[in-house]
Amino acid sequence: DQQVKQNSPSLSVQEGRISILNCDYTNSMFDYFLWYKKYPAEGPTFLISISSIKDKNEDGRFTVFLNKSAKHLSLHIVPSQPGDSAVYFCAAIHGGSQGNLIFGKGTKLSVKP
Amino acid sequence: DGGITQSPKYLFRKEGQNVTLSCEQNLNHDAMYWYRQDPGQGLRLIYYSQIVNDFQKGDIAEGYSVSREKKESFPLTVTSAQKNPTAFYLCAGTVQETQYFGPGTRLLVL
Repeated sequence: DQQVKQNSPSLSVQEGRISILNCDYTNSMFDYFLWYKKYPAEGPTFLISISSIKDKNEDGRFTVFLNKSAKHLSLHIVPSQPGDSAVYFCAAIHGGSQGNLIFGKGTKLSVKP
Repeated sequence: DGGITQSPKYLFRKEGQNVTLSCEQNLNHDAMYWYRQDPGQGLRLIYYSQIVNDFQKGDIAEGYSVSREKKESFPLTVTSAQKNPTAFYLCAGTVQETQYFGPGTRLLVL
């Protein structure tokens, strides 16, 4: 049973527009969420995170929103750039349990010039 | 930069052969992890280690083995028992609750 789900395997966006990547989770004990970006044949790079005590975290062009009641988070990229084209992974953890990060299967973002 | 290095970048394995993937870190990570990535599968946890001389199986540990004799090193051995070893292998270390990944090793079977 997938505890972290990224239901869109791919997303295509025009350069300069907003990219919205979505992630749903089922475990209400998760209290820390992360987004990673991955280029082919490279390791994932940490992008941005959010604690469950917040509903928004912003870092430059990247903003993560958390809706705990819906068990949903999203990553917004504004404006999107061709260099943002990559696979984006959502991950979640229950920090107090010494549990491990649980990853979604990823969404491939393509930003077209 | 999470201070994780992996080598080699590409590794070839013959049938029936064991191969070992290296993972080294220089940022004093306590916890280290090995993941496998297959197309469309995301990241699946193979093994992890919270402290030296201790490690735990992840979701897909069969056919793999690890050691953690020193904090800086967490090598992964892909044994001949792993019937489908072709994949991209990623090592990670943890700073608080954020994992930082190495560049990965692609393992191919000849």
